[in-house]
Amino acid sequence: GDSVTQMEGPVTLSEEAFLTINCTYTATGYPSLFWYVQYPGEGLQLLLKATKADDKGSNKGFEATYRKETTSFHLEKGSVQVSDSAVYFCALKDTGFQKLVFGTGTRLLVSP
Amino acid sequence: DAGVIQSPRHEVTEMGQEVTLRCKPISGHNSLFWYRQTMMRGLELLIYFNNNVPIDDSGMPEDRFSAKMPNASFSTLKIQPSEPRDSAVYFCASSETGGGQPQHFGDGTRLSIL
Repeated sequence: GDSVTQMEGPVTLSEEAFLTINCTYTATGYPSLFWYVQYPGEGLQLLLKATKADDKGSNKGFEATYRKETTSFHLEKGSVQVSDSAVYFCALKDTGFQKLVFGTGTRLLVSP
Repeated sequence: DAGVIQSPRHEVTEMGQEVTLRCKPISGHNSLFWYRQTMMRGLELLIYFNNNVPIDDSGMPEDRFSAKMPNASFSTLKIQPSEPRDSAVYFCASSETGGGQPQHFGDGTRLSIL
């Protein structure tokens, strides 16, 4: 079945450091890919998405490129801020399905 | 633009009591999802509806859990009788139909069963 694998956390960085959170997936069809962010005490918020190979999703300085050849959708940001501290979830929605398949989440901690 | 609205935000009750969680999806969205999130098990899909019809309830833990969607603007998740192991944050999400359409989440209900 479909699955999403994310790097284990927590990821601990200093402010202004470069961020990469790895995400790889397995899917039977041609999925759409998503990154969600969850701040403490809140629900999941859509951060960015990509719906086909080579698409790049971007939002708030975060980027991720849909790489079909490596089945990956790694999240990057050039310079993190303390306010980016949160849990980040990678997810896919496969062709013909409505439900999302989530990774286990990666906690990011950014210190001043 | 109203998002997904869940109520209550917090619920504390004693084991054995009935608990009802409520959700109002975004207007125009025809898919609705109930999730449970715990530290131990992470984020779990319990059930989802499409056009008010339950499509997949394989994630519902046991018969004590039930969910309904009487119309396009309202859904409930009920636990009867509740147990301490049901303590979790329960999220509702909605989306439009379509492969690239994301789910939009509510702020969740934090449920504590004593």
